[in-house]
Amino acid sequence: GENVEQHPSTLSVQEGDSAVIKCTYSDSASNYFPWYKQELGKRPQLIIDIRSNVGEKKDQRIAVTLNKTAKHFSLHITETQPEDSAVYFCAASNPSGTGKLIFGQGTTLQVKP
Amino acid sequence: NAGVTQTPKFQVLKTGQSMTLQCAQDMNHNSMYWYRQDPGMGLRLIYYSASEGTTDKGEVPNGYNVSRLNKREFSLRLESAAPSQTSVYFCASSDRENEKLFFGSGTQLSVL
Repeated sequence: GENVEQHPSTLSVQEGDSAVIKCTYSDSASNYFPWYKQELGKRPQLIIDIRSNVGEKKDQRIAVTLNKTAKHFSLHITETQPEDSAVYFCAASNPSGTGKLIFGQGTTLQVKP
Repeated sequence: NAGVTQTPKFQVLKTGQSMTLQCAQDMNHNSMYWYRQDPGMGLRLIYYSASEGTTDKGEVPNGYNVSRLNKREFSLRLESAAPSQTSVYFCASSDRENEKLFFGSGTQLSVL
């Protein structure tokens, strides 16, 4: 089945710097790659997603890139702010299921003022 | 709309006890899921229901059972709780087409 690896597990940046989180997936047939943000004590919420027919997608300060050949995708956050501090999860859609997502292990991002 | 509602928010069980976690969504979604979240291990899929009347195992189904009661409701049952089932449990639902997950607020379960 699908396996998703996420790195790094923790990331600390200064406010205003950029942050990059990377994920790799194992099943070349996966076709949907979302990113979720989970603030402390809260539920995960979708922040951006990308499908396999697109190489890059941007939404204000966040962007996701996808390299299907290498089977990896990345989350880029520019001009980080303290409110970006959270746990971020990548995921890949298991094509043998029906919208069934397999998640990475999570990255704890700390943005220092 | 309330979105995805799950109960209870907190629960403490003794080893061997049973309990059911309830989940309901009001978004007319076809698919519903149960995940567990453990430190350093992300969100792991326990069971899912692609549509009303169907259920299937996820990554970590052992020790759990589920019931898709109707289109709105999807419950998770622990028949004989074990300390290894101490975790935070999230219910989620999705519209089948776009696969975006909407999560409930979570249940923090401790098994002593």
